[in-house]
Amino acid sequence: DIQMTQSPSSLSASVGDRVTITCRASQSISNYLNWYQQRPGKAPKFLIYDASSLQSGVPSRFTGSGSGTDFTLTISSLQPEDFATYYCQQTYSIPRTFGQGTKVEIK
Amino acid sequence: EVQLVESGGGLVQPGGSLRLSCAASGFIFSDHYMDWVRQAPGKGLEWVGRIRKTGTGHAPEYAASVKGRFTISRDDSKNSVYLQMNSLKTEDTAVYYCARDGRDYGGYFDYWGQGTLVTVSS
Repeated sequence: DIQMTQSPSSLSASVGDRVTITCRASQSISNYLNWYQQRPGKAPKFLIYDASSLQSGVPSRFTGSGSGTDFTLTISSLQPEDFATYYCQQTYSIPRTFGQGTKVEIK
Repeated sequence: EVQLVESGGGLVQPGGSLRLSCAASGFIFSDHYMDWVRQAPGKGLEWVGRIRKTGTGHAPEYAASVKGRFTISRDDSKNSVYLQMNSLKTEDTAVYYCARDGRDYGGYFDYWGQGTLVTVSS
């Protein structure tokens, strides 16, 4: 199975800050990497696919990059609604696997 | 508008069974693979399994933690996917989500249901 490791596990930031979350795969997954946002008590929301393609309707302050084993999710200017937990996911192979999540909290 | 609505969750004793349903609307259901994902209380997301489109000739695929105990099926005439859970363990306690696979290969879960809570406890 491909292991996905996110860092950090949590971070504190202020509105307007630039935030970067990293995700590392235990083997190359090409660009089959997705990002999701989950607010407390809600279902995950799909943000980015193929490492860097923004899902329709997702604000442009979210960007993804990377290929192979190392990926990043960047929020250019954190907004109040962005405080949530973010998960990466690989869809290169079965079983699909998620990172453990990164909780973005208000400083 | 794409909608996925799960049902069937509840309290069940260890060793028991439960069947979850996910009713889909707003898209051509038969054109999509469908997945189940779960989230234990306070924990991260865990993929449970998926079922491909009818007619692909492939059996559903499962996470090792549920293989042999859980079965995924679909009924395209009812726009529904199901998760039959047998021999339930306390560690199966979680919110269970169904999700639409947005692409057949190397896809992504572009729509999710609201989730249904399964509690396995005596």
